[in-house]
Amino acid sequence: EAGVTQFPSHSVIEKGQTVTLRCDPISGHDNLYWYRRVMGKEIKFLLHFVKESKQDESGMPNNRFLAERTGGTYSTLKVQPAELEDSGVYFCASSQGLRRTVYEQYFGPGTRLTVT
Amino acid sequence: RKEVEQDPGPFNVPEGATVAFNCTYSNSASQSFFWYRQDCRKEPKLLMSVYSSGNEDGRFTAQLNRASQYISLLIRDSKLSDSATYLCVVNADSSNTGKLIFGQGTTLQVKP
Repeated sequence: EAGVTQFPSHSVIEKGQTVTLRCDPISGHDNLYWYRRVMGKEIKFLLHFVKESKQDESGMPNNRFLAERTGGTYSTLKVQPAELEDSGVYFCASSQGLRRTVYEQYFGPGTRLTVT
Repeated sequence: RKEVEQDPGPFNVPEGATVAFNCTYSNSASQSFFWYRQDCRKEPKLLMSVYSSGNEDGRFTAQLNRASQYISLLIRDSKLSDSATYLCVVNADSSNTGKLIFGQGTTLQVKP
């Protein structure tokens, strides 16, 4: 079974530019999550989709971040315009839709974003 | 105070040693608890869920003390391949959001 995939693996952009990250969850997983780890800090939750709906977006830092999951399959996370403090590793995770397993999340390899 | 606190280590142990990691969490409403393992520059991988009665998976034993809001992970007979960062993870609260809260991780280095 294919795991969670993310694209690109690395991205280096200048401050003020736009970047779009993509995540493909494990097939059949209704739940999709975005997390971020900035240098020296713990991994932090950004948001949670159930199918195409945003279940919880309490972790989104500001309105420069826009996440979508059209059709309930893959998801994109756009940062526009990027700032220096957005640098970090962005992880996507997915889990099954059953209540007791909603928290057993499987992570993708991450996108390492560097804003210069 | 951080929501999930771990001793960052590093823990340097010889092969074959037994090592224990501890973690405390602040939200008494949390219902689900996990240990994840993260290798250098890789993604976190689920190691095991932690159940109230305690659970064991091979050389790994996890314990939960809800009254003290304390979670532990015991690794017996350490192998070189156990070297990694171990992340204590709890869900945000009792609702059905999938939000997980991570500790900063405890680094383990197993030496020959």
